[in-house]
Amino acid sequence: AQKITQTQPGMFVQEKEAVTLDCTYDTSDQSYGLFWYKQPSSGEMIFLIYQGSYDEQNATEGRYSLNFQKARKSANLVISASQLGDSAMYFCAMRDVVTGANNLFFGTGTRLTVIP
Amino acid sequence: EAQVTQNPRYLITVTGKKLTVTCSQNMNHEYMSWYRQDPGLGLRQIYYSMNVEVTDKGDVPEGYKVSRKEKRNFPLILESPSPNQTSLYFCASRRGSLEKLFFGSGTQLSVL
Repeated sequence: AQKITQTQPGMFVQEKEAVTLDCTYDTSDQSYGLFWYKQPSSGEMIFLIYQGSYDEQNATEGRYSLNFQKARKSANLVISASQLGDSAMYFCAMRDVVTGANNLFFGTGTRLTVIP
Repeated sequence: EAQVTQNPRYLITVTGKKLTVTCSQNMNHEYMSWYRQDPGLGLRQIYYSMNVEVTDKGDVPEGYKVSRKEKRNFPLILESPSPNQTSLYFCASRRGSLEKLFFGSGTQLSVL
């Protein structure tokens, strides 16, 4: 079974608008961490935001916030005030303890295009 | 500057010709790992290392070897590359178990 599911292969957003990228995860563990990474066309992987399973507040980092709904096992990334430079591939990832903390499981990614 | 350095950035080779992709980190991280990225599959772990002389298989280890003789270096070795190993490879390191991964800039490998 997929541990991380990103159901949106591609998304479009108008510049300055907000966009939500979906991510659902599957784990039986109580302790786990959720990550979002951005991959621009240049190829590097850029860490955006982290949410721990015991964190009571949703994580925020500048224009990025993570809408963490534990009961639904979802960890959606919200980007506010989109900029042209936000056009990239976005990956959701999870690390849990059940399958070992030695692997970060990635989703298949969502390609975001910001339209001027 | 804290970083993970991979070389080369691009590599074209032929089937069966042994190659090594180097990876070095300057953050004194104990944990290092290798991933490959393929379209529609996301990133999948090849091998990881918890510390010097400690390595273990990830999800897709077939056809790859690694070594960890020093803390900072974690080379990926393809003894006999095949076309199905054409992929984008990333080296990564981290501090604690729930800490973020720091990624290298990637190596685009093409095996003809």
